[in-house]
Amino acid sequence: DAGITQSPRHKVTETGTPVTLRCHQTENHRYMYWYRQDPGHGLRLIHYSYGVKDTDKGEVSDGYSVSRSKTEDFLLTLESATSSQTSVYFCAIKETSGVDTQYFGPGTRLTVL
Amino acid sequence: AQSVTQLDSQVPVFEEAPVELRCNYSSSVSVYLFWYVQYPNQGLQLLLKYLSGSTLVKGINGFEAEFNKSQTSFHLRKPSVHISDTAEYFCAVSENGGATNKLIFGTGTLLAVQP
Repeated sequence: DAGITQSPRHKVTETGTPVTLRCHQTENHRYMYWYRQDPGHGLRLIHYSYGVKDTDKGEVSDGYSVSRSKTEDFLLTLESATSSQTSVYFCAIKETSGVDTQYFGPGTRLTVL
Repeated sequence: AQSVTQLDSQVPVFEEAPVELRCNYSSSVSVYLFWYVQYPNQGLQLLLKYLSGSTLVKGINGFEAEFNKSQTSFHLRKPSVHISDTAEYFCAVSENGGATNKLIFGTGTLLAVQP
């Protein structure tokens, strides 16, 4: 257990509304990541962070923004949700010590109607 | 650019039979390789990883994988599966020493263990 929580765990929203998902970690890890999981695509990286206020885009970043004002929190925002953003969203952290291993949170299931 | 191919979207197998889940990758640099397991309605759990050294890697729950550099493969094996092994399995690759440690995932293989 890498001490990762995600909130909310489930959300249903309507097209055009803003949505913010939260990832919280308790162990002061530097790297945090947001992925989406869709059938037939596996997991795809949306955005990642390598420190407070340091973020960068992943392969499917269009329509998403992120913020990290504190080490423990990494927020993913859908500025204007669309049905194509219906997905399961996973947050991950990489341990600062050791090598290159990411650990995942429990996920948030988002449905955009 | 890196990529991961899991050719089998679903693998049905009877309980206590052996299983192999295939993973091939493409990369122009040396890589780290991972297998994750996802049980229904849960997050991803690390099964095993190859970083360097011995090409045979042992993981949790009796699984093992072998790194084959010449064939760019990292197949996952278990000699005898249980009903409880029913889950989706994801192979992933990251660039060795890459600063951001981004993971590239395969599309997953559903292991369906039948009694």
